[in-house]
Amino acid sequence: QSALTQPRSVSGSPGQSVTISCTGTSSDVGGYNYVSWYQQHPGKAPKLMIYDVSKRPSGVPDRFSGSKSGNTASLTISGLQAEDEADYYCCSYAGSPYVFGTGTKVTVL
Amino acid sequence: QVQLVQSGAEVKKPGASVKVSCKASGYTFTRYYMHWVRQAPGQGLEWMGIINPSAGNTNYAQKFQGRVTMTRDTSTSTVYMELSSLRSEDTAVYYCARETPGVSYFDYWGQGTLVTVSS
Repeated sequence: QSALTQPRSVSGSPGQSVTISCTGTSSDVGGYNYVSWYQQHPGKAPKLMIYDVSKRPSGVPDRFSGSKSGNTASLTISGLQAEDEADYYCCSYAGSPYVFGTGTKVTVL
Repeated sequence: QVQLVQSGAEVKKPGASVKVSCKASGYTFTRYYMHWVRQAPGQGLEWMGIINPSAGNTNYAQKFQGRVTMTRDTSTSTVYMELSSLRSEDTAVYYCARETPGVSYFDYWGQGTLVTVSS
């Protein structure tokens, strides 16, 4: 199972929106509505931000939203804030295993 | 509150084995699956496998088949991940992560355990 493909980095100014793509195949992203997104600050454990493609856990700001089209899922951060600067990983159920994305560093300019 | 507390950092020589623990609290241990995910220095997350603490059954990523063993002790609400035949490429932070059965995402994570493999 190959890792899902994410851009290495994206950046934006405070208040702007950024979108991170996550491209897989019909065996993972395209085959299931089980895409989740995780935020990871340096030296910390990942934190769940989005699950089931577009659902937000309690406590996650509504600035974070998710979507999917075909084999590509996306995470959008609207109204970018300084604390959003972190690494972001997508993850998809793939039948039996799970597969993570390659990770994207979000920089707030 | 839900907590997953992992054992401390380990330094191992190539060819040795390591056993990392993850002690759960704040919920009914046997009602949730536990996954193991690792992250090599400066790299991304990699799924290793899953254990059902109730039945003890496991499913491992193909990459780790034959080298990884996940077990649990229901009396102490602890899951274990043992990785054998260690090589330098196994140097990583190892995380346990909880899943509610059937939901396919990880809602709580341990703090991570650094395993360093070096001669």
